[in-house]
Amino acid sequence: DAGVTQSPTHLIKTRGQQVTLRCSPKSGHDTVSWYQQALGQGPQFIFQYYEEEERQRGNFPDRFSGHQFPNYSSELNVNALLLGDSALYLCASSFSVPYNEQFFGPGTRLTVL
Amino acid sequence: AQSVTQPDIHITVSEGASLELRCNYSYGATPYLFWYVQSPGQGLQLLLKYFSGDTLVQGIKGFEAEFKRSQSSFNLRKPSVHWSDAAEYFCAVGDKTSYDKVIFGPGTSLSVIP
Repeated sequence: DAGVTQSPTHLIKTRGQQVTLRCSPKSGHDTVSWYQQALGQGPQFIFQYYEEEERQRGNFPDRFSGHQFPNYSSELNVNALLLGDSALYLCASSFSVPYNEQFFGPGTRLTVL
Repeated sequence: AQSVTQPDIHITVSEGASLELRCNYSYGATPYLFWYVQSPGQGLQLLLKYFSGDTLVQGIKGFEAEFKRSQSSFNLRKPSVHWSDAAEYFCAVGDKTSYDKVIFGPGTSLSVIP
């Protein structure tokens, strides 16, 4: 079992650009959550996807959007990048039945210049 | 709103010494509670979790935590720290009413002196 995988590992963008991050959940998991972890802080919940729909959202602007595919993999899109979007973006997967443990991927480090 | 505080930003202990990391939460009902560890360049690994029942929870790597409702606390303990325990530790609360949204504390950085 490969666990949760994320790509790319690192990414450098400039202000105003758009970025797409990808996540493959652990085998058998159907729910994907995304978190933003700024340097020196705890992860902040962005949103959660289940059955290809956004089920829950944290306090993030509409510039942050996502998608879940039929195979349960997911993408996080961020438009009009700001310097403050520089962070580690973590994906977590779980079964849909609450509550089940979330398994985290290694993250994508995004740097906005 | 739910929240988690970890009063200690950084803790340094000697190898072999005992460890206690503090965590306080704010939640309207009995929460789901977690402790995660994050090593440099790594994702988050679950150490232990509390859902209900016995308030003393055993986890991996020799860690345990005790849920104290009266103090809204969920402190993490280990009787003897190993150098490999140096990492960032996060306490988190799961929101049962919001499809398992997890709210993390700011973290405590642990350094271990040989």
